[in-house]
Amino acid sequence: GAVVSQHPSRVICKSGTSVKIECRSLDFQATTMFWYRQFPKKSLMLMATSNEGSKATYEQGVEKDKFLINHASLTLSTLTVTSAHPEDSSFYICSANRADHSYNEQFFGPGTRLTVL
Amino acid sequence: GESVGLHLPTLSVQEGDNSIINCAYSNSASDYFIWYKQESGKGPQFIIDIRSNMDKRQGQRVTVLLNKTVKHLSLQIAATQPGDSAVYFCAEPKVSLESTFGDGTTLTVKP
Repeated sequence: GAVVSQHPSRVICKSGTSVKIECRSLDFQATTMFWYRQFPKKSLMLMATSNEGSKATYEQGVEKDKFLINHASLTLSTLTVTSAHPEDSSFYICSANRADHSYNEQFFGPGTRLTVL
Repeated sequence: GESVGLHLPTLSVQEGDNSIINCAYSNSASDYFIWYKQESGKGPQFIIDIRSNMDKRQGQRVTVLLNKTVKHLSLQIAATQPGDSAVYFCAEPKVSLESTFGDGTTLTVKP
């Protein structure tokens, strides 16, 4: 159990377009979902935390108008990179906490590789 | 601010040897830690966790040791295999920390 999926796994887009990435918890309800960004050979950088039905909490330095997060249900969160530019190219990873777990163990999705041309 | 971090960015071991990856943390109130493994191009995978009321926890071929006195934890991998080659992160899984993850240690297993 505790499987998290992401879609798409890989996307290439032109500069100026918007890209939506979906994160789903497949077999559990997630109280909280997290979005991370990872550069090559670097650690994960937390971008934002989202709770179902409320506004996401963004980390310092992350533009909320640039990275729109919607957490529509206990199993789905989406990240939209608006007006993407080459510097937004990165590996985006989501994770989710289980609603029925007392500790904040995070279950990770497989990641989405975004390349902006 | 509070942080967790790994000691060495890279570790190279011979197949069959034991591997030890170290991690230090700064928040003495930390009560839960997780070790993750990340293979190239994939999301992190849970390996093992430990709560602060324990000093040691064993899994299959892996052992995590927690030393609260010096705020240090380690991951030991027994009989390291080529499939263990990956980046390893220790993490303190709390919400809304600016940096939940320490920097990774890249483990390379030589045949």
